[in-house]
Amino acid sequence: QKEVEQNSGPLSVPEGAIASLNCTYSDRVSQSFFWYRQYSGKSPELIMSIYSNGDKEDGRFTAQLNKASQYVSLLIRDSQPSDSATYLCAVNIDQAGTALIFGKGTTLSVSS
Amino acid sequence: NAGVMQNPRHLVRRRGQEARLRCSPMKGHSHVYWYRQLPEEGLKFMVYLQKENIIDESGMPKERFSAEFPKEGPSILRIQQVVRGDSAAYFCASSPMKGNQPQHFGDGTRLSIL
Repeated sequence: QKEVEQNSGPLSVPEGAIASLNCTYSDRVSQSFFWYRQYSGKSPELIMSIYSNGDKEDGRFTAQLNKASQYVSLLIRDSQPSDSATYLCAVNIDQAGTALIFGKGTTLSVSS
Repeated sequence: NAGVMQNPRHLVRRRGQEARLRCSPMKGHSHVYWYRQLPEEGLKFMVYLQKENIIDESGMPKERFSAEFPKEGPSILRIQQVVRGDSAAYFCASSPMKGNQPQHFGDGTRLSIL
């Protein structure tokens, strides 16, 4: 059974702080990793994709991947109240492009 | 609007009726995926289609559910004889033809069963 695990939270951080979201996955052959943001009642919105070990930065967001530890994380710098949402980690195990396996998501709350 | 288009946004059905959910992928995308999100649950994969082909339906319930992506027109997710447990948000995503590109999601269809 392929699984993606996330701490459900809520994760509470003050405005301007760094929010750290973590995700582990069970299938060692996982190829691609994605972070989606989902506001309540809305659809998932792609934030970051990462395919190789190391860090990938995009604006205030940094994704980190460690395939040996089967671990992927998302850092949000200078957190804003508008970042308050559920963050979904998703893993794809097939380069040909098949189903994404999602974690249940971590709820982030940024207080002003 | 070049995004993934889903309709209807909200659908109400009585038990035993049929529900049809439609999805038009982003322009240039030929891979379509359907996911279901139950309240307080994560997104669960249902089916993956390309034009006129079902590639992977491992997440689809064996009965009452079917999907198609015809040569012309949108992809359709069809649920026959709906039951209360089918109430959920159904999301469609699409990705480009080549490579392992990210999937982009539509706004979803919220299905409510009375």
